[in-house]
Amino acid sequence: DTAVSQTPKYLVTQMGNDKSIKCEQNLGHDTMYWYKQDSKKFLKIMFSYNNKELIINETVPNRFSPKSPDKAHLNLHINSLELGDSAVYFCASSKREAGTRREQYFGPGTRLTVT
Amino acid sequence: QKEVEQDPGPLSVPEGAIVSLNCTYSNSAFQYFMWYRQYSRKGPELLMYTYSSGNKEDGRFTAQVDKSSKYISLFIRDSQPSDSATYLCAMSVQVYGQNFVFGPGTRLSVLP
Repeated sequence: DTAVSQTPKYLVTQMGNDKSIKCEQNLGHDTMYWYKQDSKKFLKIMFSYNNKELIINETVPNRFSPKSPDKAHLNLHINSLELGDSAVYFCASSKREAGTRREQYFGPGTRLTVT
Repeated sequence: QKEVEQDPGPLSVPEGAIVSLNCTYSNSAFQYFMWYRQYSRKGPELLMYTYSSGNKEDGRFTAQVDKSSKYISLFIRDSQPSDSATYLCAMSVQVYGQNFVFGPGTRLSVLP
């Protein structure tokens, strides 16, 4: 009973392609996130999203777009992939309640390689 | 200067050693401090969190925050080979906020 799951685990694709990574959480959380972890292990937030608010890190290219069909899912679409997009992408989720700390639960990651 | 800095390691210690992992930060508005552990090819998992200056202990782990120096530490006592992982510090401005800033992580190897 995985809490936060991502598919695929590995993704190898060519420059210029469009790809999607799926994320699902079964924790009943209402806020989900996408992070990018580069080769130097820096973990940087790309998006945070709940049903009312999408917060985009201003450094994220608009080729990246999150899409949420429902509260349990936040997929990441990437258009026109570039070599620099190669990284591990992590999905995470947390519960948004006043007065609670925002513990984020992470998925196992999707290792994207762009050739 | 990066917002959060961390010694990247790798750090190798013998089993049973006391390990000290450290982060410095530049934003004095950070209020909420966390340590995550990330095993190879896995997602980070929350290890400890603290809101204020001082020490917080949980089993073999102690988190220490010194806001005046903008410095946080994680101490691991009686380190075990199973502690071998990358340790990431993270912090946020709002205690109940959702945007965390992560350090680059320190890779720790505990040798049997």
